[in-house]
Amino acid sequence: EPEVTQTPSHQVTQMGQEVILRCVPISNHLYFYWYRQILGQKVEFLVSFYNNEISEKSEIFDDQFSVERPDGSNFTLKIRSTKLEDSAMYFCASRQTGYYGYTFGSGTRLTVV
Amino acid sequence: AQSVSQHNHHVILSEAASLELGCNYSYGGTVNLFWYVQYPGQHLQLLLKYFSGDPLVKGIKGFEAEFIKSKFSFNLRKPSVQWSDTAEYFCAVIPSNTGKLIFGQGTTLQVKP
Repeated sequence: EPEVTQTPSHQVTQMGQEVILRCVPISNHLYFYWYRQILGQKVEFLVSFYNNEISEKSEIFDDQFSVERPDGSNFTLKIRSTKLEDSAMYFCASRQTGYYGYTFGSGTRLTVV
Repeated sequence: AQSVSQHNHHVILSEAASLELGCNYSYGGTVNLFWYVQYPGQHLQLLLKYFSGDPLVKGIKGFEAEFIKSKFSFNLRKPSVQWSDTAEYFCAVIPSNTGKLIFGQGTTLQVKP
């Protein structure tokens, strides 16, 4: 069964550093998403991406965050200057056109120290 | 405010006990409804979904859920749980035509052998 692949599985970074979280969505999917889950809290929507542009973003997704699909296969989330409160599990997801079943990746656990 | 609510945060059951996890949403109009499961250390997996038709939907691993439109509910059930059902369960909703998956807070299920 096709999978969404995320790397790395765990990243530790110092506060103020830039991080890039990587995702490879399923190849024939056109809609891409990033969600995050702070420990003990609910899974929160960050951003959706379609046709090479952001289609929707949440209040969490401020100027410190950006997404990119640099080469037609990868879908990246960049945090420019990490804060302690960015520590969370970040999930990438993708879906097909006209079908609302998301496929999620295994997540990247980001720890900001 | 529009939201998805899961009533139980932590449920402890013995094997063979019956399970029902509550989920209510506050969105009007057409919704697509989902239950996801997250086993320890693993990614979110789709248990079942409801788009239209028979409001009683069956998913993987013996789970089922019933959509009751008048109650804005989509409760998850399983007649007899197993130790391997120990996981976090998330109810999620896509309000009409938004494409954005919105999660409830999650319920941790612990099944004692």
